[in-house]
Amino acid sequence: KAGVTQTPRYLIKTRGQQVTLSCSPISGHRSVSWYQQTPGQGLQFLFEYFSETQRNKGNFPGRFSGRQFSNSRSEMNVSTLELGDSALYLCASKPSGTEYNEQFFGPGTRLTVL
Amino acid sequence: GQQLNQSPQSMFIQEGEDVSMNCTSSSIFNTWLWYKQDPGEGPVLLIALYKAGELTSNGRLTAQFGITRKDSFLNISASIPSDVGIYFCAGQLISGANNLFFGTGTRLTVIP
Repeated sequence: KAGVTQTPRYLIKTRGQQVTLSCSPISGHRSVSWYQQTPGQGLQFLFEYFSETQRNKGNFPGRFSGRQFSNSRSEMNVSTLELGDSALYLCASKPSGTEYNEQFFGPGTRLTVL
Repeated sequence: GQQLNQSPQSMFIQEGEDVSMNCTSSSIFNTWLWYKQDPGEGPVLLIALYKAGELTSNGRLTAQFGITRKDSFLNISASIPSDVGIYFCAGQLISGANNLFFGTGTRLTVIP
């Protein structure tokens, strides 16, 4: 099985712009979660989507949003970018129909905000 | 959010030595996971633990779910150069949603 894929791998934007990141989960996985990783704050949960619905949300401002499509692919959007949004954005997928919470991560999208 | 205290922050060891790192929390978790992350890549799942007291191995790696459900440790035996990387613990709260809380990471350097 192919792993979690994320596009693009690298992105450079300027303050005030918006950005959309894409994630394709492992085939058959319906849960997709997004995490932000920075040197200062580490890995922090953004939100989780399951069956096209946001099931859980972390403590991030409303500028961060996401959605999931019927094929389980997910996108996250950050509007009005700030310098502090520079980070590695990671997507993780989880098998369905199990109580186990093994999440499998993609390679991430490195976002740099100038 | 939940704070997972992971120690040590970094380790420098000789090839062939054993390594131990641990994670503690003030909250009870029902799942402990250990990941390894290489530079520029996403975390790779190493071991998953689901029951208090559970001891699980994956090759040279062994991890345990603490009895109090508030801690976990990871051991690596006979380290090799490719063990270099950052190791993260992650936990899921006992009554929480699917989101994981991560430790601050242990940076491992193996000296050949």
